[in-house]
Amino acid sequence: DGGITQSPKYLFRKEGQNVTLSCEQNLNHDAMYWYRQDPGQGLRLIYYSQIVNDFQKGDIAEGYSVSREKKESFPLTVTSAQKNPTAFYLCASKVGWQGGEQYFGPGTRLTVT
Amino acid sequence: GENVEQHPSTLSVQEGDSAVIKCTYSDSASNYFPWYKQELGKRPQLIIDIRSNVGEKKDQRIAVTLNKTAKHFSLHITETQPEDSAVYFCAASMGGATNKLIFGTGTLLAVQP
Repeated sequence: DGGITQSPKYLFRKEGQNVTLSCEQNLNHDAMYWYRQDPGQGLRLIYYSQIVNDFQKGDIAEGYSVSREKKESFPLTVTSAQKNPTAFYLCASKVGWQGGEQYFGPGTRLTVT
Repeated sequence: GENVEQHPSTLSVQEGDSAVIKCTYSDSASNYFPWYKQELGKRPQLIIDIRSNVGEKKDQRIAVTLNKTAKHFSLHITETQPEDSAVYFCAASMGGATNKLIFGTGTLLAVQP
């Protein structure tokens, strides 16, 4: 299951705390993505990055932040401004910005109480 | 905005029967349509994809059809097996420079032995 990794697998936080989810890939992919998965809602795009030092908001970016300082890494910070942060978070990467297969990481299940 | 609708949300079939999952998309500029399979607690994995210049694609027991005029695409699984049980997601890539994927809400397929 190498290629794209996420850590940790499970994460628990208290309300009001920021938390950063890790995503690393060794596939030499240019594009990276963060999705949120909730039951019955499919995968919704939070942020994406097509190249180092550049990223764009997805459909549900409010309350989240990202950085892309290295090609291999695309960490996601869930801030205290995110109203309902408990969810399954999936990171993905793709060779280039044009259409093609996205490879997913194993996901991080975040629970905020 | 861009939207992908997926039906049905749940599908139960007997082993050996066929299963069909249907999706419609809203952006006529969409040009790439992947299907992902997600087993419980696992990452989504690409099972088949189709581009807008092709009407049908087949890979062993799995096939995808695309009707660009109607903006419909469908996944067909023949001779279903218990290991086909999973959640299946369709997606459509938006046209233009971003090539974001918009996902359907998923179909839970249960193959009864």
